[in-house]
Order: sequence, then C-alpha cells, then structure tokens
Amino acid sequence: GAVVSQHPSRVICKSGTSVKIECRSLDFQATTMFWYRQFPKQSLMLMATSNEGSKATYEQGVEKDKFLINHASLTLSTLTVTSAHPEDSSFYICSAGGTVKSSGANVLTFGAGSRLTVL
Amino acid sequence: AQSVTQPDIHITVSEGASLELRCNYSYGATPYLFWYVQSPGQGLQLLLKYFSGDTLVQGIKGFEAEFKRSQSSFNLRKPSVHWSDAAEYFCAVGRNAGGTSYGKLTFGQGTILTVHP
Repeated sequence: GAVVSQHPSRVICKSGTSVKIECRSLDFQATTMFWYRQFPKQSLMLMATSNEGSKATYEQGVEKDKFLINHASLTLSTLTVTSAHPEDSSFYICSAGGTVKSSGANVLTFGAGSRLTVL
Repeated sequence: AQSVTQPDIHITVSEGASLELRCNYSYGATPYLFWYVQSPGQGLQLLLKYFSGDTLVQGIKGFEAEFKRSQSSFNLRKPSVHWSDAAEYFCAVGRNAGGTSYGKLTFGQGTILTVHP
C-alpha cells in the first residue's frame, strides 16, 4: 500500500518549452505533496510543499512562476516547468503525505522520480 | 533551520563485512529521522525511520539505526553487507510538527556504498 506513481520517468524537451510532471497517490489520500529536485551527484533539495486545494509554498530561491505546482485533488499533484532551459535539467522527485483509508495510518511515500533533460 | 551531515561521501566494504554509515543532524526540537536508499536513476526507498520511543530502530533489508540525542547522530548499520546493498544512502530529518508536515525533509549529502565481492 501507499504507492505513489510519478510520470513521465524521463522527458527530453527543447529549450523554451514547458513540461508537466504528474504525481499520483494510488491508494491513499495525499493531503500534502512535496516536490524535490536533485542535480547530478547531489542531494535532494525541497522545492515546494502543496496542500490539496491551496497554493503551494515555495522554498527560498525557487521561482514560483517557473515551477508551477497544482494540487487540485487528494490524489494528484503536478509540477510544470515553464519555459525550460538547460539549467533546469535535473531529477525531480515528488513525495506524498497522507492517510491510508483502510488502516488510518499516516504515510509519506516518494515517487520514482522524473529525469528532465532540456536541450 | 535543520541540517544533516553525512561525513562520508563514499564507502567501500567487502561483501559480508559490517557497515556503519554516519549521520549527524542539527535541529532545535525532537526530530523525525529517516534513512533512504537510492539506486542509480531511481527514486527513494525508505529503510527506516525514528519518531519516538526505542532509540534502536529496525528497518528493512536487515538495516538498523540508533538515535543518540547526546551526539545528535542517527547512524545506519548492517551486520553483513550484500552486493545488492550497493547504492546511495541518504539520511534526512523532518520537522516535528504532527500530521504529514514532517514530510518537509532536509537531506544529507548522501553516502555512496560500493560493495566488493
């Protein structure tokens, strides 16, 4: 249980285009979603936190107009990288926090990540 | 603000040998502590976590970690390493704020584990 599906796993796009990454909780209600970015050979850095139905809270230094986060339902959050440039190439990972319906347990689960390459 | 330090960037051990990965944290209150493992190009798998209670935590794949408040440490151990354990390991600290707000994690730099046959 407590599975998070993230896709696409890999995406290549041209500079200036926008890319959307989806993060879905499959068997629990994700009241909070977290988006992280991981550059090669580096650790994960939190970009933003979103609660269902509310605006995302961005970490210092993260451009909210460039990284659009939507959390419109308890099972889906999306990250859109707008006007992507080569420096946005990175590994983006979501995590979802919520409650498993069947057990009532609180969970925090990571997606498998999405590797974005901007040419 | 919280921070996490993993002093060892790269560790090499022989298969069957014991393993200890170090993690030190800085946080003003009682932390939520985690260890994750990441294989190349993959997401994160939770090995174990500490919220409260017994300071020796058992996890999956034979891993355990011990929370030592006096040393601000949460070192990961395994008595006998398998070749499949080769991966990158991340220690993380989450805010103790109840609900799932502890999911706002700060990660250490990671430790790459290489296992020799």
